[in-house]
Amino acid sequence: QSALTQPPSASGSPGQSVTISCTGTSSDVGGYNYVSWYQQHPGKAPKLMIYEVSKRPSGVPDRFSGSKSGNTASLTVSGLQAEDEADYYCSSYAGSNDYVFGTGTKVTVL
Amino acid sequence: EVQLVQSGAEVKKPGESLRISCKGSGYSFTSYWISWVRQMPGKGLEWMGRIDPSDSYTNYSPSFQGHVTISADKSISTAYLQWSSLKASDTAMYYCARQGDWFDPWGQGTLVTVSS
Repeated sequence: QSALTQPPSASGSPGQSVTISCTGTSSDVGGYNYVSWYQQHPGKAPKLMIYEVSKRPSGVPDRFSGSKSGNTASLTVSGLQAEDEADYYCSSYAGSNDYVFGTGTKVTVL
Repeated sequence: EVQLVQSGAEVKKPGESLRISCKGSGYSFTSYWISWVRQMPGKGLEWMGRIDPSDSYTNYSPSFQGHVTISADKSISTAYLQWSSLKASDTAMYYCARQGDWFDPWGQGTLVTVSS
């Protein structure tokens, strides 16, 4: 199972929006509504930010939103803040009891 | 508070065996899968496999099948990841995570260093 494809980097100024894509296939992202997104600060464990494509866990700011179209899922961070600077990973169920993560995107707040 | 606490960092030599642990608390341990995820130095996340603690049924990623063993002891709410013969390429941070259709929460990670 190949990793889902994410852009290596993305950036924006404080207050702006940034959108990260996560491209898979019809066997993973396109086939199931089980896409989730994780934020990882340096030296820390990942944290769930979005699950089931667009749902936000309790405690996650509504500046974070998720969507999906075909084989590509997206995470949008609106109103960028300094603390949003981190690595972001998508994940998807890939069928046959298999799961796959994305390649990761480093978000920089300029 | 739902929490997963992992065992401490390990330094091993190639060929040695190792078992690391992940203890759950704050929820019914047998109601959710536990997954293990590898992160090699400076690299991304890789799903290794998971276990249903209620019956110890396991699924492995094809990439890790046969290289590691996942087990659990539901009586002490603990899952394990083990190697029978470590290689230098096993050097990585290993995370456990409670799994539904998502991974949450995550353990703090266990750094495994394999070096002669």
